[in-house]
Amino acid sequence: QKEVEQDPGPLSVPEGAIVSLNCTYSNSAFQYFMWYRQYSRKGPELLMYTYSSGNKEDGRFTAQVDKSSKYISLFIRDSQPSDSATYLCAMSGAGGGNKLTFGTGTQLKVEL
Amino acid sequence: GAGVSQSPRYKVAKRGQDVALRCDPISGHVSLFWYQQALGQGPEFLTYFQNEAQLDKSGLPSDRFFAERPEGSVSTLKIQRTQQEDSAVYLCASSLGRFGPNTGELFFGEGSRLTVL
Repeated sequence: QKEVEQDPGPLSVPEGAIVSLNCTYSNSAFQYFMWYRQYSRKGPELLMYTYSSGNKEDGRFTAQVDKSSKYISLFIRDSQPSDSATYLCAMSGAGGGNKLTFGTGTQLKVEL
Repeated sequence: GAGVSQSPRYKVAKRGQDVALRCDPISGHVSLFWYQQALGQGPEFLTYFQNEAQLDKSGLPSDRFFAERPEGSVSTLKIQRTQQEDSAVYLCASSLGRFGPNTGELFFGEGSRLTVL
């Protein structure tokens, strides 16, 4: 079983919908939690970065971390066609810095 | 350039050939990482450099894989005697800080897509 589990999708939603993306993990040492967006044939780019449990909001994006359940989420409000991409969760331990463990990625399509 | 640059973007190799993939990190970035991304999967850690020192190579899948960063800037990932299972996108990433919790944002290149026939 992988340390980080993520539903690969694909997930298709209409424009304007609220999107919920999730990951579960098994390694309790993970302290830093990230969401990356990856467009086709491009490298991942950082969207959200959270330390330990809690919520973080940035524009239309909200990241949530529940360490007691080993569960993290990314919410996208008012989704746009330009949000169509693969969303990767990633995490690292206290001393791990950017040695990241990624999920499989969820492919999202926002339709007009 | 402003971002992480990788070359070649696409490489087709016959099984058994050696390949070399190059990464130019963002100028001044201390930390450099190589990740491997198989089709439909997330990136997997291969190796890490702090300046010219290779501090972690625990993710390299076999002794056919070798990475170097001799002057602390450009890095090369070399794969000897390529096998079909080596087919993947090889991503290079750099960050400003030293290894640790606060290395700062990781900036990825667009990757080198290797296909082994």
